[in-house]
Amino acid sequence: AQKVTQAQTEISVVEKEDVTLDCVYETRDTTYYLFWYKQPPSGELVFLIRRNSFDEQNEISGRYSWNFQKSTSSFNFTITASQVVDSAVYFCALSEANTGTASKLTFGTGTRLQVTL
Amino acid sequence: GAGVSQSPRYKVAKRGQDVALRCDPISGHVSLFWYQQALGQGPEFLTYFQNEAQLDKSGLPSDRFFAERPEGSVSTLKIQRTQQEDSAVYLCASSPGTSLGLGEQYFGPGTRLTVT
Repeated sequence: AQKVTQAQTEISVVEKEDVTLDCVYETRDTTYYLFWYKQPPSGELVFLIRRNSFDEQNEISGRYSWNFQKSTSSFNFTITASQVVDSAVYFCALSEANTGTASKLTFGTGTRLQVTL
Repeated sequence: GAGVSQSPRYKVAKRGQDVALRCDPISGHVSLFWYQQALGQGPEFLTYFQNEAQLDKSGLPSDRFFAERPEGSVSTLKIQRTQQEDSAVYLCASSPGTSLGLGEQYFGPGTRLTVT
């Protein structure tokens, strides 16, 4: 069975601070995908990144960066120079990498990030 | 409309009533998913369609929950004889189902169901 753990329930930072959201996963699959989604107060889940289990290169997109460590089953997300607009609930998720069509996502419980001035 | 849409956005039902929640996926998307998100929790998988075929319904919590996608586009999630524990946000997601879009799901805004 697949499982995603986000141990940080809530994080509060002051604007311009860097913040890292932790994600640890469990799966028996050798091939899988990892995701991060953002859920702002409006409620709609916004896709941020997808990472294939074969690709352990870290990725940077603007102020966002992701650190995938297969050896520790972790896929952590760092926001550099946080802004108030980053305030949201962030979910880490895992799916099997079936060939053909999409596979269901297994989500963590989310980390609520509050960025204040 | 380029995104996934859901209706109604909010639904209040009295315990025992039947409800129907609608999802309009992104045009041309092969895969459609339903998730249930309880307050303060992550979304949990309910069921999955590939075109009109329901390939996985392992997440449906009871036989009161039923989903359909008869023409491979719009989907309806029906809950019969609603109970208070059914109160949650119901999220719909669609995916292109191609190798390029493998695993990437686009979510709608959800329907918040409150059972009183």
